[in-house]
Amino acid sequence: SYELTQPPSVSVSPGQTARITCSGDALPKQYAYWYQQKPGQAPVLVIYKDSERPSGIPERFSGSSSGTTVTLTISGVQAEDEADYYCQSADSSGPGFGGGTKLTVL
Amino acid sequence: EVQLVESGGGLVQPGGSLRLSCAASGFTFSSYWMSWVRQAPGKGLEWVANIKQDGSEKYYVDSVKGRFTISRDNAKNSLYLQMNSLRAEDTAVYYCARVGYGMSGGFDYWGQGTLVTVSS
Repeated sequence: SYELTQPPSVSVSPGQTARITCSGDALPKQYAYWYQQKPGQAPVLVIYKDSERPSGIPERFSGSSSGTTVTLTISGVQAEDEADYYCQSADSSGPGFGGGTKLTVL
Repeated sequence: EVQLVESGGGLVQPGGSLRLSCAASGFTFSSYWMSWVRQAPGKGLEWVANIKQDGSEKYYVDSVKGRFTISRDNAKNSLYLQMNSLRAEDTAVYYCARVGYGMSGGFDYWGQGTLVTVSS
């Protein structure tokens, strides 16, 4: 399946901005999706089609795309945002996920 | 409210078989591609299989081709995953997920997952 590359970890202080990147060759041609997963819970979709936010997701979550890299931005990070974040897209072999980024709120 | 409820996980010996089920409610099941996604203990997410709305197209990750079969029963609003010739590396939480935006993702609703453990 399609492989995407994310940093293993990102750390920020409360109120700061967290940026999590995801790179992949097919990203210029395929949409990216972002999921939040807290320990012991199922993933939750937080961004779809690169930059759209599902209903119920706080406005501090946003997404952007540039070439082979997409970015999840969390503005004004709160303690409750501490979680694993996964990007996802697809190529001819099917859907694929990034390895995940652990966001630590200091 | 969209709900996806998996069942059928458990402990199975290497080489054994297991059938997972996913009961869907709160949406028109027959209108969506559906998927299975798994997560090995302490690891990341891995897409396993997709099935089209009418079951006419099915796709699998290479590591399960020939061993796993995805199917659906739209009359029962149910998704299935038949897993044969199980290996230790198939040990994972298996999630049922609705494909919200075309056949390749993203997954807009997820079940709570069912744990499959392959061990002797």
